[in-house]
Amino acid sequence: GAGVSQTPSNKVTEKGKYVELRCDPISGHTALYWYRQSLGQGPEFLIYFQGTGAADDSGLPNDRFFAVRPEGSVSTLKIQRTERGDSAVYLCASSLTVKETQYFGPGTRLLVL
Amino acid sequence: DAKTTQPPSMDCAEGRAANLPCNHSTISGNEYVYWYRQIHSQGPQYIIHGLKNNETNEMASLIITEDRKSSTLILPHATLRDTAVYYCIVMRYNQGGKLIFGQGTELSVKP
Repeated sequence: GAGVSQTPSNKVTEKGKYVELRCDPISGHTALYWYRQSLGQGPEFLIYFQGTGAADDSGLPNDRFFAVRPEGSVSTLKIQRTERGDSAVYLCASSLTVKETQYFGPGTRLLVL
Repeated sequence: DAKTTQPPSMDCAEGRAANLPCNHSTISGNEYVYWYRQIHSQGPQYIIHGLKNNETNEMASLIITEDRKSSTLILPHATLRDTAVYYCIVMRYNQGGKLIFGQGTELSVKP
């Protein structure tokens, strides 16, 4: 079946711009996670959703980052006033419930110039 | 917090078994050990997980010590395509199952 998909696969933007990154989870998966991976590092947790609500957003670095999942399926990670330090690969994962195995998408590579 | 410790890198000859160790001495009784791998420029790929018993699937075997303080991931016949960074993770069920990745082990399979 279809796995987790993320769009765009690559995004180049300028410092100060607004970007949206999209994640389509595996059908039927109620839990959705966002991670960020900087070069040479392991992924770092940002936020996770159980259904439509953000259950834990403790990993979001600051208030420029926001994520939504309005219908409990697709999620969008939004970054305002991007900075060069936001350049990273943004990974999305989904699982049947919060205690099940997470399956990752291919990631979105964000480059802020 | 149950942290994990892995060697930063390992080599393995093609066709031989690759044994990747992981220490998780502070693991709690209801926490699972998960293994993922990440091939260059791809998202992490789930391999296997276990609680206390040894597990095997089509990709690998997981051996967990009786005291659960360490585990070993075994790739029985490594191929060049198994070259990747392998992450051992203790899943924190009381925190929504979020995964805390360390640096992992960079496995190089050589011909």
